[in-house]
Amino acid sequence: GQNIDQPTEMTATEGAIVQINCTYQTSGFNGLFWYQQHAGEAPTFLSYNVLDGLEEKGRFSSFLSRSKGYSYLLLKELQMKDSASYLCAVKAGNNRKLIWGLGTSLAVNP
Amino acid sequence: DTEVTQTPKHLVMGMTNKKSLKCEQHMGHRAMYWYKQKAKKPPELMFVYSYEKLSINESVPSRFSPECPNSSLLNLHLHALQPEDSALYLCASSSKTGTGVGNQPQHFGDGTRLSIL
Repeated sequence: GQNIDQPTEMTATEGAIVQINCTYQTSGFNGLFWYQQHAGEAPTFLSYNVLDGLEEKGRFSSFLSRSKGYSYLLLKELQMKDSASYLCAVKAGNNRKLIWGLGTSLAVNP
Repeated sequence: DTEVTQTPKHLVMGMTNKKSLKCEQHMGHRAMYWYKQKAKKPPELMFVYSYEKLSINESVPSRFSPECPNSSLLNLHLHALQPEDSALYLCASSSKTGTGVGNQPQHFGDGTRLSIL
């Protein structure tokens, strides 16, 4: 079966660093995406990993280990506007379907 | 602002009504998607169009009928919906043709919030 796990909720403090983990078991792997979704808004693309290692994009970084079926999203210098749901999604097969995690709701407190 | 535009933003309809949701993108993307999203849940794929042809239908009830008039437009026709169909309907598009590995993020519109009375 296809399964993606991520924590349901996380809390962090403004200015701090937070790491959101995602583990997956899928038949095939063609890349992993991270999306951010604010309440009532559309998901916005944050990052993509297909090879092992770290991809850095400003305050956000994403890491992938294919052998462990594991990824994390690292958010640095947290701001209040980073309070949102963070969705991990895997492209598993040779089609355009994404398998989505249930999302991690991040609350950034002052 | 997103590059995928959806209209209307909100829609309230009765169970006997017929309405349509519209989606437009001008990024030259050749794949377009319809998703349904309930509160605190991830998006749930409904349909995928690739080069204006329906390539994936996730066993969606026939009361939802997609249409892709051209490479920039995607419609979702609604008829005889049920209260449980109330949700946020998201349109997305992505680039690159073919299949396999590739950085093909899906770009989402702001969605249509649909309420069925």
